Amino acid sequence: QKEVEQDPGPLSVPEGAIVSLNCTYSNSAFQYFMWYRQYSRKGPELLMYTYSSGNKEDGRFTAQVDKSSKYISLFIRDSQPSDSATYLCAMSEDSSASKIIFGSGTRLSIRP
Amino acid sequence: GAVVSQHPSRVICKSGTSVKIECRSLDFQATTMFWYRQFPKKSLMLMATSNEGSKATYEQGVEKDKFLINHASLTLSTLTVTSAHPEDSSFYICSAGDYKETQYFGPGTRLLVL
Repeated sequence: QKEVEQDPGPLSVPEGAIVSLNCTYSNSAFQYFMWYRQYSRKGPELLMYTYSSGNKEDGRFTAQVDKSSKYISLFIRDSQPSDSATYLCAMSEDSSASKIIFGSGTRLSIRP
Repeated sequence: GAVVSQHPSRVICKSGTSVKIECRSLDFQATTMFWYRQFPKKSLMLMATSNEGSKATYEQGVEKDKFLINHASLTLSTLTVTSAHPEDSSFYICSAGDYKETQYFGPGTRLLVL
């Protein structure tokens, strides 16, 4: 079983829809959770960074962590075609950047 | 802030040659830099972790004599793919850790070995 599981998609939704992206994990020691956005042929860009359980909101993006279920989500409101990208979840046991485990990424396409 | 650059963005080389990729943190000092490899439609695979002034730590299965990493300063790390072969063709991405220990990624280097 992989440490981090993420549905590869592709996920296609119409513009304006709410998008829900999810990851599950098996290591209960993970404390730090991240979401990265990666456009084609580009490096990943950090979107959200959260510690432990709870919600964090930044503009149209909301990150949610449920440690009891070992489940994290990223919600995108009012989705735009420019949100079309691959979204990678990532997590680590401590604040050190050294051992971040990445999900395989979900390809998202927003239809105009 | 937190900008990481990589050079070159893409490179095509002949089999048997060596290729050097540079990773720079432009507006912060990175004590730790990371090198990843990414295959099409796959996630990032950590190759090695480098700390300024010390030898890199390689992940299991990564040949350290094949992928030479140098972290000479707090803003520069280099990855040299020695005697490159077609199976080394891939997308190589570096990242740098800041004081918050968050990783910021470079734009990646696409290597094609003919």
